[in-house]
Amino acid sequence: AQSVTQLGSHVSVSEGALVLLRCNYSSSVPPYLFWYVQYPNQGLQLLLKYTSAATLVKGINGFEAEFKKSETSFHLTKPSAHMSDAAEYFCAVSSSGGSNYKLTFGKGTLLTVNP
Amino acid sequence: GAGVSQSPSNKVTEKGKDVELRCDPISGHTALYWYRQSLGQGLEFLIYFQGNSAPDKSGLPSDRFSAERTGGSVSTLTIQRTQQEDSAVYLCASSQTQGVTEAFFGQGTRLTVV
Repeated sequence: AQSVTQLGSHVSVSEGALVLLRCNYSSSVPPYLFWYVQYPNQGLQLLLKYTSAATLVKGINGFEAEFKKSETSFHLTKPSAHMSDAAEYFCAVSSSGGSNYKLTFGKGTLLTVNP
Repeated sequence: GAGVSQSPSNKVTEKGKDVELRCDPISGHTALYWYRQSLGQGLEFLIYFQGNSAPDKSGLPSDRFSAERTGGSVSTLTIQRTQQEDSAVYLCASSQTQGVTEAFFGQGTRLTVV
């Protein structure tokens, strides 16, 4: 069984400030972890993914995330927020074990960027 | 095609009618997912197809919902006797099952039941 918890359904930051979106996961086998972004009225776009290689993963648009096994976390960060980052962000986990590649998503975090 | 294609993009239907939503996954992707996204809600898992294995239907909310995948490619999600609470965006995604399961999403079908 696997699950994802995103702390904070809504995060608000000022333009230029640090963005930190939290994600904790539960998985019985080594996980693959993902962050997706959804802009208004659009589908989901992959930001970055953890595939059991480097624990610090860099993605598009200046975002990065660090896999911390001891904390079962995969928090998303960006040093300086832009207005264009306003969107909803989803953390997801899939299991690499056996034939279970099912994706499980968190409930999402809506990011607001204030001028 | 280059990406996951869903049709129609928008569907308005009367309460009690049946609807069919179509998903064309990326060629060669053996895994296919349906999710539902309601206003203010996250992504609710509906059903998952993996190759020739029996689908994981654990997310289907009622027996009015069903889905099939023909020839390991195109999938159809059917909602019978639609209710107003079925109004949502239905998202389809596909992925490979070799290596990392990066899922690619379609733009969704916005279903409105009036």
